[in-house]
Amino acid sequence: QLQLQESGPGLVKPSETLSLTCSVSGGSIANNYYWGWIRQAPGKGLEWIGARYYSGSAYYNPSLNSRVTISADTSKNQFSLKLRSVTAADTAVYYCVKQGALVRVDQWGQGILLTVSS
Amino acid sequence: QSVLTQPPSISAAPGQKVTISCSGSSSNIGLNFVSWYQQFPGTAPKLLIYDNDKRPSGVPDRFSGSKSGTSATLGITGLQTGDEADYYCATWDTALTEVFGGGTRLTVL
Repeated sequence: QLQLQESGPGLVKPSETLSLTCSVSGGSIANNYYWGWIRQAPGKGLEWIGARYYSGSAYYNPSLNSRVTISADTSKNQFSLKLRSVTAADTAVYYCVKQGALVRVDQWGQGILLTVSS
Repeated sequence: QSVLTQPPSISAAPGQKVTISCSGSSSNIGLNFVSWYQQFPGTAPKLLIYDNDKRPSGVPDRFSGSKSGTSATLGITGLQTGDEADYYCATWDTALTEVFGGGTRLTVL
């Protein structure tokens, strides 16, 4: 059974770079599908950040595009999110996800709360 | 302001049927499949409906989805108190991004 688990610091200072990692078990990120990130600010709705296809091509939310990079380490079966120049508006629960297609999020990690504060 | 428009809240009695609407445009719902997600407080969302009207394994047939033009609808019959949750619609937009509705909180009175 496929499982996704986020890891990373719970606190990041404004203007710094947020780095999160998603460890995948029960399946390989190198075989197929899109692997991405979605976030949810406290008390708010869902916001798609971006996703990377197993072959390497990536799509990012245009509102975040200039600050986001999603990369993968197939040897560790992990993929990562980097979000640069963070502000308090980036405080949210971050979910790593598997997308069977760009229109469908099949599997979600449990989520990790990331707070941006000095 | 979400790209897809959903009612913020809806309520109904146990056993009743409800529908949750999701309105988009010709650049998103009008062109692509719609998915629906269910989220209980403090937990990750779960895929409820995909490709407009398909249910993943394990989702009861009390849940249904449909799409017409630039709108989609989630239907829930035989409401149970355990259905109280937030429901989100989503699809792909020609701006090359996944877009979500603002979410609908379902209360089962």
